[in-house]
Amino acid sequence: DAMVIQNPRYQVTQFGKPVTLSCSQTLNHNVMYWYQQKSSQAPKLLFHYYDKDFNNEADTPDNFQSRRPNTSFCFLDIRSPGLGDAAMYLCATSRDRSGSGEQYFGPGTRLTVT
Amino acid sequence: GQNIDQPTEMTATEGAIVQINCTYQTSGFNGLFWYQQHAGEAPTFLSYNVLDGLEEKGRFSSFLSRSKGYSYLLLKELQMKDSASYLCAVKDSNYQLIWGAGTKLIIKP
Repeated sequence: DAMVIQNPRYQVTQFGKPVTLSCSQTLNHNVMYWYQQKSSQAPKLLFHYYDKDFNNEADTPDNFQSRRPNTSFCFLDIRSPGLGDAAMYLCATSRDRSGSGEQYFGPGTRLTVT
Repeated sequence: GQNIDQPTEMTATEGAIVQINCTYQTSGFNGLFWYQQHAGEAPTFLSYNVLDGLEEKGRFSSFLSRSKGYSYLLLKELQMKDSASYLCAVKDSNYQLIWGAGTKLIIKP
């Protein structure tokens, strides 16, 4: 089945220790998104790629970086995690940005910062 | 600014009908989405409305009024597995999804 996969599902890191979350997709979608979601809050878009074109949200901290080496894979790097970065990180894909194309989400990575 | 409003929490009885409302103020409109999110899991797509009116899909229906900036999600014949958060999201003029915080629906036997 075509899907969005995120690894790991649960990640524990220490304060200030770099961490990388990964996402892969078999849908062959052009757009990949990274969201941060905290409990009982709306998903917050961090950035997205339209093909290789990187789009950073204005309020995404510099501490967050992303890489998309090919169509299938996308990575989220948190250079120096703080306690406030503990959250669920959701990767999503869509065929295109416009119109009715819904976003398909991976299962998420729950990040704990100690 | 852009804003999506939904009730924080609703409670309903198994077998009943519930309507979850969403009002929005966005820069442009390119469609409204409803997603279901079970606790600790990722959102899953439920419905999409871009024209005024009602879209029915099994036990779930979604309504849109663009002039009022209003949508609702109607869930019929509620089942315990429908206990989840329901998120309303609008695509703005830049095709960016603006998300509501979600409505937590609690189903009681």
